[in-house]
Amino acid sequence: GEDVEQSLFLSVREGDSSVINCTYTDSSSTYLYWYKQEPGAGLQLLTYIFSNMDMKQDQRLTVLLNKKDKHLSLRIADTQTGDSAIYFCAEILSLGKLIFGAGTRLAVHP
Amino acid sequence: DAGITQSPRYKITETGRQVTLMCHQTWSHSYMFWYRQDLGHGLRLIYYSAAADITDKGEVPDGYVVSRSKTENFPLTLESATRSQTSVYFCASSEEGGTFFTQYFGPGTRLLVL
Repeated sequence: GEDVEQSLFLSVREGDSSVINCTYTDSSSTYLYWYKQEPGAGLQLLTYIFSNMDMKQDQRLTVLLNKKDKHLSLRIADTQTGDSAIYFCAEILSLGKLIFGAGTRLAVHP
Repeated sequence: DAGITQSPRYKITETGRQVTLMCHQTWSHSYMFWYRQDLGHGLRLIYYSAAADITDKGEVPDGYVVSRSKTENFPLTLESATRSQTSVYFCASSEEGGTFFTQYFGPGTRLLVL
């Protein structure tokens, strides 16, 4: 069945780069997403990548996609305390059904 | 400019009681979704709806009922709440249901079943 896996926790120093990794199983997924969840809030779409792309850059965010290994990563450059949150990787199946990973909690310390 | 709202934001109930969680969106999006979020599981799809009066089961539908008489509302009912339904519930909507349309999430309802 479909499954999305991510590491559960990442701690970085303010100003460093953060890299959050994700693996997915459905090679037919057309889009892969990164959502951000701040404490007590809903999910906010951060960025997405189409499956025929290898890389997408959006300001401090870089998404890398390795279709062969079904591996997705999110790099946040110059990580700030405001980036502390849970980050969810998700793949989309037919009819718009999203399959989420368990989420990676990013902690940014001074 | 409300977007997507959920009510109540917090709810405490007892085992066996019926509970209804409300979801309202102002965009006239066709598709709406209910997810539950549990530690270690990420978000799992409970039910979704492609349009008014059209609903279908997701990954974990047991113990839940939905209806969609109006495009903008998608209530989720727990007919007889159980402790295992303690969770955070998120509603989402998207313009269409294909893979090209982003889902927008509400702020969530935290439900505790005693």
